[in-house]
Amino acid sequence: AQRVTQPEKLLSVFKGAPVELKCNYSYSGSPELFWYVQYSRQRLQLLLRHISRESIKGFTADLNKGETSFHLKKPFAQEEDSAMYYCALSGRNAGGTSYGKLTFGQGTILTVHP
Amino acid sequence: GAGVSQTPSNKVTEKGKYVELRCDPISGHTALYWYRQSLGQGPEFLIYFQGTGAADDSGLPNDRFFAVRPEGSVSTLKIQRTERGDSAVYLCASSSVQGGDQPQHFGDGTRLSIL
Repeated sequence: AQRVTQPEKLLSVFKGAPVELKCNYSYSGSPELFWYVQYSRQRLQLLLRHISRESIKGFTADLNKGETSFHLKKPFAQEEDSAMYYCALSGRNAGGTSYGKLTFGQGTILTVHP
Repeated sequence: GAGVSQTPSNKVTEKGKYVELRCDPISGHTALYWYRQSLGQGPEFLIYFQGTGAADDSGLPNDRFFAVRPEGSVSTLKIQRTERGDSAVYLCASSSVQGGDQPQHFGDGTRLSIL
């Protein structure tokens, strides 16, 4: 079974402050981790994935297999970062093929105050 | 189209009725996914198609739920004898290939309300 936990339903920070959205997962195999974001009145969209090891809109996330975590971080939050953020997991089979289906956490609503 | 299209955007019906929800994926995308999102929760996987076939339907909650994708493009999620607990936003996503190697692109969802 696979599980994703986002312990914070709500997170508020001021503009310019660092932000960290926590994500922990449970999966017995080799996971692929993602962060999806949903801005107000927009559809759910991919923010970043661990295999790309990229920074998107100033956000980064590092997969820590020892702590089974994939926390999302940004050093200086902006008001336009206010949104709902979902951490998601997809497993891979023994042959390395991704299963595709995503298991999502409950989401964290980030509010960045001016 | 530019993105995944889902119709209707809203559906209100009475308990016990039958409903169909439609998803039109991005042209050329072979993988199509259905998720259900209840209030205050993240999306929950229902079923996914690779081409015309259901590659994994392990998330369908019971036999009242069924989905088809007869020509490998548009998909329809069908719910029989609807119950109040079926009320949720039903999301569809597509990707160019199976798996996490390509991102899933989501539609706006269909908000289903069972009275």
